[in-house]
Amino acid sequence: NAGVTQTPKFQVLKTGQSMTLQCAQDMNHNSMYWYRQDPGMGLRLIYYSASEGTTDKGEVPNGYNVSRLNKREFSLRLESAAPSQTSVYFCASRTASGSTDTQYFGPGTRLTVL
Amino acid sequence: QKEVEQNSGPLSVPEGAIASLNCTYSDRGSQSFFWYRQYSGKSPELIMFIYSNGDKEDGRFTAQLNKASQYVSLLIRDSQPSDSATYLCAVKGDKAAGNKLTFGGGTRVLVKP
Repeated sequence: NAGVTQTPKFQVLKTGQSMTLQCAQDMNHNSMYWYRQDPGMGLRLIYYSASEGTTDKGEVPNGYNVSRLNKREFSLRLESAAPSQTSVYFCASRTASGSTDTQYFGPGTRLTVL
Repeated sequence: QKEVEQNSGPLSVPEGAIASLNCTYSDRGSQSFFWYRQYSGKSPELIMFIYSNGDKEDGRFTAQLNKASQYVSLLIRDSQPSDSATYLCAVKGDKAAGNKLTFGGGTRVLVKP
């Protein structure tokens, strides 16, 4: 069980370039999330997908798009990167039942936009 | 704007002491409350969650929830150097809100031997 995997681990972009961050989970979870983390600001939700085929905006969606390719994969795209998007990006998937409610996080992608 | 507030710290505690972390939230409709631990350069991992008023214990950790006062706290007993990390409080709204989590900025804890 790899859990939640993310690629790439590090990326440097120039302003205006585009890229896609990949995320996959092998835990058969329905819900998946994309967060960004900036120093001192905790995690902020960018987009989420409650189930395959659905996506919804989170707190900070501007400048991003997502695709829930299938149940396993949830990608995040930056169409025209800006320095304000320099951050650490975490993908997560969620399992919930009567006694548990847990989001499992991937290792993160550290993105720098010059 | 739903907010979750934490003291950024650092909270410095001697080894073996109790570390007490607090978190306040603004949305009275919040349903569940979570504590995540994040080591430097790593991803967050869930310590525990609570949804009923009162205390919930798991090993050396105790979460305390007071919905009337809109705060949730985490106690770490017998603190160890390995507990040195940032602790993130997260709050979940109701199902209509999409089960989304709102995170606080985190409290950095330093346990000194």
